[in-house]
Amino acid sequence: GAVVSQHPSWVICKSGTSVKIECRSLDFQATTMFWYRQFPKQSLMLMATSNEGSKATYEQGVEKDKFLINHASLTLSTLTVTSAHPEDSSFYICSAWDRGAVETQYFGPGTRLLVL
Amino acid sequence: AQSVSQHNHHVILSEAASLELGCNYSYGGTVNLFWYVQYPGQHLQLLLKYFSGDPLVKGIKGFEAEFIKSKFSFNLRKPSVQWSDTAEYFCAVNHNNDMRFGAGTRLTVKP
Repeated sequence: GAVVSQHPSWVICKSGTSVKIECRSLDFQATTMFWYRQFPKQSLMLMATSNEGSKATYEQGVEKDKFLINHASLTLSTLTVTSAHPEDSSFYICSAWDRGAVETQYFGPGTRLLVL
Repeated sequence: AQSVSQHNHHVILSEAASLELGCNYSYGGTVNLFWYVQYPGQHLQLLLKYFSGDPLVKGIKGFEAEFIKSKFSFNLRKPSVQWSDTAEYFCAVNHNNDMRFGAGTRLTVKP
C-alpha cells in the first residue's frame, strides 16, 4: 500500500529555535497533504491543509507565521515550527491524499517534538 | 458546530467478546466515512471506509461498520475481539474535502 514517511521521527530542541519536519509520499503523488497535531490521549487536530504549488490553508486558531508550511513538490511537504516554545511540544502527524486510489488518506508515522 | 463524536472513551473487553464502537457526525449532505486504528507505538492505519453503495462495509482484520444515514452514524463492529485488537480507534468524516476526527476510543482486550 501507499506509504508516507516523516523525518525526523523525534526531535528535541531549545526554546526559541526553529524545527523543520518533512513529510513525503513515497510511491504516489499527493497534491494535498494535511498536518495534524495530537496531544496525549486526545484526537488528531487538523492544523492546516497543504496544497502543492499554493499557500496552505490554516485552521482557525493556528498561527500561520508560527507553523510555516511549504508544499514544493507532489511528494514533499514541510512544516517548520518557528521560534519553538515548550507549549509547542506535541506529536505532529502528516497525511497525504492519494486521489489515484479512491481518495484515501495515508498517514505518516508522526514526529514527536519536545521543546526544552 | 460540525463535529464527529465517539461516545466511548475507553472500552475494556475480554477476548472473544463482541465489539461495537459508536461514531456520530453532525454534517449534512454527502460525507465519506472512515475508521482508523492506531496500535501502540504505531501510526494510524485505515481499517475501512465508506464512500457510497452498500452501507455495510467490511474492512481488514474482521472489522465492519454500518452507515446509517438517518442516524448520522457509522458504528464499528467486530463479532469476536482478540488481544491484538488492543489499540486506539478513530472515526473520521470527510465533508467537502475537510477531514475531521473523533476523539478516539481506546480498546483494551484482556486475554
